[in-house]
Amino acid sequence: QQQVKQSPQSLIVQKGGISIINCAYENTAFDYFPWYQQFPGKGPALLIAIRPDVSEKKEGRFTISFNKSAKQFSLHIMDSQPGDSATYFCAASPPETSGSRLTFGEGTQLTVNP
Amino acid sequence: KAGVTQTPRYLIKTRGQQVTLSCSPISGHRSVSWYQQTPGQGLQFLFEYFSETQRNKGNFPGRFSGRQFSNSRSEMNVSTLELGDSALYLCASSFWTTRSPLHFGNGTRLTVT
Repeated sequence: QQQVKQSPQSLIVQKGGISIINCAYENTAFDYFPWYQQFPGKGPALLIAIRPDVSEKKEGRFTISFNKSAKQFSLHIMDSQPGDSATYFCAASPPETSGSRLTFGEGTQLTVNP
Repeated sequence: KAGVTQTPRYLIKTRGQQVTLSCSPISGHRSVSWYQQTPGQGLQFLFEYFSETQRNKGNFPGRFSGRQFSNSRSEMNVSTLELGDSALYLCASSFWTTRSPLHFGNGTRLTVT
């Protein structure tokens, strides 16, 4: 059962534009929502994360927006740069007492054209 | 501080064989998780070990097993390999849980022929 749905599958943006990736989850027990960035040949690296008691979190050019009632969250990359070209994964995790277990979305391949 | 180290980087095995993958977590990290990454299924959780005990398990058949040693290093074993086991196997470590946060290695690329 796919519990985190991510869209779009691929995204092409011009340099300086805004990249938006959306995710929706089903399991209301999830309480931690990280985003990971993966470059070819590398493992995923944590970009930014949010908890459901916060509606928005910003770190530099990256912003997570969270809508708890709709069970949706999104990543906005402002002023997108060619170096941002990578695959982005949203993820969700149950409460900390359950240990470490991430459920990932399908991934979005972002291409930023110069 | 050294990152998560996975060995080997690449592995080619024949169907029916077994394979062992190794992971050395970041120093001080006690939780080690394993994920399978494929183009079709994406990133899927295999299992997690904490202080030598399996703390979480994903929905994979019993052919997939793991263990963690007292120095937090972990191994993953896949027996009776199938073609569908071809994937990138990622190890991730954290101090405590996913919030610690999770640091991934660069993976072992397993090809089953």
